[in-house]
Amino acid sequence: GAGVSQSPSNKVTEKGKDVELRCDPISGHTALYWYRQSLGQGLEFLIYFQGNSAPDKSGLPSDRFSAERTGGSVSTLTIQRTQQEDSAVYLCASSLSGRSTDTQYFGPGTRLTVL
Amino acid sequence: TQLLEQSPQFLSIQEGENLTVYCNSSSVFSSLQWYRQEPGEGPVLLVTVVTGGEVKKLKRLTFQFGDARKDSSLHITAAQPGDTGLYLCAGASTGRRALTFGSGTRLQVQP
Repeated sequence: GAGVSQSPSNKVTEKGKDVELRCDPISGHTALYWYRQSLGQGLEFLIYFQGNSAPDKSGLPSDRFSAERTGGSVSTLTIQRTQQEDSAVYLCASSLSGRSTDTQYFGPGTRLTVL
Repeated sequence: TQLLEQSPQFLSIQEGENLTVYCNSSSVFSSLQWYRQEPGEGPVLLVTVVTGGEVKKLKRLTFQFGDARKDSSLHITAAQPGDTGLYLCAGASTGRRALTFGSGTRLQVQP
């Protein structure tokens, strides 16, 4: 079956513009995660969705960041009024049930560059 | 705030050498995972360790979880150029779904 896919693979935008990043998780996976990775660094948790439960937004760095997951499948991460410090690779992952010991399967990421 | 520190940050070695990467924290984790990430791709899970003192082997890779479940190590025997990549440790905590990631160790194995 297909893995986690993300689009676009690269996005260059101007400071102040809004961007939308898309994630298609593995079919049947109930948990979906968004992370941010600065150049060559570890991953910073942003937001977590599990089934129909309220998302865990504790990692979102500011109110310019939001995410939704429609129909328990596809997710969109929106960054409003982008800033240069938002430049990073945004990674999406999904897991079967969301347990902490579950394997998280990552997509290839979206590289965002804010000029 | 839970933090995972990895060392070394960078490692460049010759093919055939052995190496160890460390992942340390002052916090206790319920489990710890190791990932490898190649350029332009997402991290791929290598192993999950759950029990304090646990040792797992994956071919030439040996993973150990500390007795107190605060630290872990990854040992590679006879490194190959194919081992090149960014190695990330990630800890899971009870009651928190998201993983806490270390900052990574970038390994380059020269042929």
